[in-house]
Amino acid sequence: EVHLLESGGGLAQPGGSLRLSCAASGFTFSSYAMSWARQAPGKGLEWVSTITASTGGTYYADSVKGRFTVSRDNSKNTLYLQMSSLRAEDTAVYFCASRGRFYFDNWGQGTLVTVAS
Amino acid sequence: QTVVTQEPSFSVSPGGAVTLTCGLSSGSVSTGYYPSWYQQTPGQAPRTLIYNTNTRSSGVPDRFSGSILGNKAALTITGTQTDDESDYYCALFLGNGISIFGGGTKLTVL
Repeated sequence: EVHLLESGGGLAQPGGSLRLSCAASGFTFSSYAMSWARQAPGKGLEWVSTITASTGGTYYADSVKGRFTVSRDNSKNTLYLQMSSLRAEDTAVYFCASRGRFYFDNWGQGTLVTVAS
Repeated sequence: QTVVTQEPSFSVSPGGAVTLTCGLSSGSVSTGYYPSWYQQTPGQAPRTLIYNTNTRSSGVPDRFSGSILGNKAALTITGTQTDDESDYYCALFLGNGISIFGGGTKLTVL
């Protein structure tokens, strides 16, 4: 059974940094692209970033480009999201998801990030 | 800027059928956008229902079906159950690794 477990959320100050992790199990992690999506309180889903399986190519939404960095450690079956220059509008539940070729496949339960002073 | 449009809300009676749509602010949705659909209840993670326009994800009942209707992607639910009361999101793949979600449709079953 596929299992994705996010961690690392919490309270951060505006301009601060936070690193999220997503521990994967139940599938061959190194063979799959992975994504981060987020959901602000009371709002809809927003795609944040994707990292490919093999080449490690990365893609970002315009809203986070230049501030967030996605990476993966296939030896640890773990996906990361390094978030810096955080803004109030980055406050959201962050979900990791495994990727089918053009879609989000399995989802984690999410971790809450709150950006406030 | 590309915007994916969905009906903000929809109501359906138990046992009835409903079709939710997913459009583009400019242009038509085609299979080349590989539309996918997700179900989410409050406080829970999304659940993948449909991908590549009309392929049901594992374990999804055949009451859920996807298609292209006119210039939009569509999710049709037949024999709607009270458990289907959820938020439904579509997503489109724009190429170059970029995906975009619609604003979601809140489905009420009553």
